Amino acid sequence: EAGVAQSPRYKIIEKRQSVAFWCNPISGHATLYWYQQILGQGPKLLIQFQNNGVVDDSQLPKDRFSAERLKGVDSTLKIQPAKLEDSAVYLCASSPRGGNTGELFFGEGSRLTVL
Amino acid sequence: QKEVEQNSGPLSVPEGAIASLNCTYSDRGSQSFFWYRQYSGKSPELIMFIYSNGDKEDGRFTAQLNKASQYVSLLIRDSQPSDSATYLCAVWGGGSQGNLIFGKGTKLSVKP
Repeated sequence: EAGVAQSPRYKIIEKRQSVAFWCNPISGHATLYWYQQILGQGPKLLIQFQNNGVVDDSQLPKDRFSAERLKGVDSTLKIQPAKLEDSAVYLCASSPRGGNTGELFFGEGSRLTVL
Repeated sequence: QKEVEQNSGPLSVPEGAIASLNCTYSDRGSQSFFWYRQYSGKSPELIMFIYSNGDKEDGRFTAQLNKASQYVSLLIRDSQPSDSATYLCAVWGGGSQGNLIFGKGTKLSVKP
C-alpha cells in the first residue's frame, strides 16, 4: 500500500514570496490533515478535511495560508506571502476514519526555509 | 486552549535499561491517547494508543493511563540504541470530528 505522498520535499524562498505544497493521501482515506512542525516543537494542526469539506481550520492563519482538497483526494497548501516564522516542516497526514481515532499516517513532510 | 505537556529532555538511558516518558494533558474530556515516535528528520509514526485507565503492553512498550490525574506515560523496556528518537504524546480532542493535539516531544537517547 502506497503511503502519503508529499512534494516538494524541500523549498527555500525569500520572505514575501509564495509557495505551494501538494499532498496525496493513502487511497481510500477520507480524512486529511495539514500540520506545521517548527524545529523542536510538536506538530500543530493547521487544517483538517473530511472528504472535500473543511472540518477544522481554526489555527490556520487565513490572511496568508490557504488550503483546498479538490474531489476529496489530493490537497494543496499555499502560503502567500511567506514570513520568516513560516520556516517549518509541513506534514500531511491521512486517516482511514474521521471519528474518534488518532491513527494518523504521515507523509515525509515538506521542509520550508524562508530567508 | 487544550494543552499537552511533556518534558523535552533529552532523556538519556543506558542500553538495556527502562526508559520512562511522561505526559500530562489539560482537557478532562479527552478520550484517547497516543504515542508517536519521530526519528530525526523523519515524520511521526504511531507506536501505541490507549483508551482506558491502566496499562497496555505491546512487546517492549507499555502505555499507562490515569485519567483522574490526567497523566499518560510510555515505558520502553530493554531500551536499544535504535529507540533513540523523539517521542510525541498526542491526545484526541474528542467528538466525531476531533483532532490530535501533540505535545512538544521528549528526546530519548539510548547509549550503547
